[in-house]
Amino acid sequence: GAGVSQSPRYKVTKRGQDVTLRCDPISSHATLYWYQQALGQGPEFLTYFNYEAQPDKSGLPSDRFSAERPEGSISTLTIQRTEQRDSAMYRCASSDTSSGANVLTFGAGSRLTVL
Amino acid sequence: AQSVTQLDSHVSVSEGTPVLLRCNYSSSYSPSLFWYVQHPNKGLQLLLKYTSAATLVKGINGFEAEFKKSETSFHLTKPSAHMSDAAEYFCVVSETGTYKYIFGTGTRLKVLA
Repeated sequence: GAGVSQSPRYKVTKRGQDVTLRCDPISSHATLYWYQQALGQGPEFLTYFNYEAQPDKSGLPSDRFSAERPEGSISTLTIQRTEQRDSAMYRCASSDTSSGANVLTFGAGSRLTVL
Repeated sequence: AQSVTQLDSHVSVSEGTPVLLRCNYSSSYSPSLFWYVQHPNKGLQLLLKYTSAATLVKGINGFEAEFKKSETSFHLTKPSAHMSDAAEYFCVVSETGTYKYIFGTGTRLKVLA
């Protein structure tokens, strides 16, 4: 697509429920990132993909968090057994590292509220 | 290890006056540096980037930043603030050739009429 698309834009869920967030990156971009942004903070790295490979998931806060990109395009971020501290904006970005541009293009984000 | 510090969490300026948003970084190797802007309910948008070419970088909407290695700084400036500049600004550091991008905590810019 022309830009990075994230869905849903807003999600309200109850503590203990599972949530899946979706990211559709720019179609030519090999690299995809997930960031978590708490209120009043800067985005913090969760994980990234190079095509379907996931070389670094060191930023995932716990084993309740997982991400996939099975065909090297669309990615999902799943949070199991959500907790109130998971409430945040989740941002997806993609990058065309093959050109050396080194620039992240962000989607509008998915705001998660856990009650 | 990389890190970035934005020295002011909030900055207020009057419309038509200069803007200065301060950023200091720490990086072991040759860094790439970026400024992103976040308007309410919008995604993060790239303002400008430094990747070891000219030290004075010009971006969109009249913003520019100067890379000063001796001071490990990458401050963002604009000669004359406009009401539409009110937003949150993030300084970002990345070691060239790596996939890690480290964001600062952000500076919220308020522009007074």
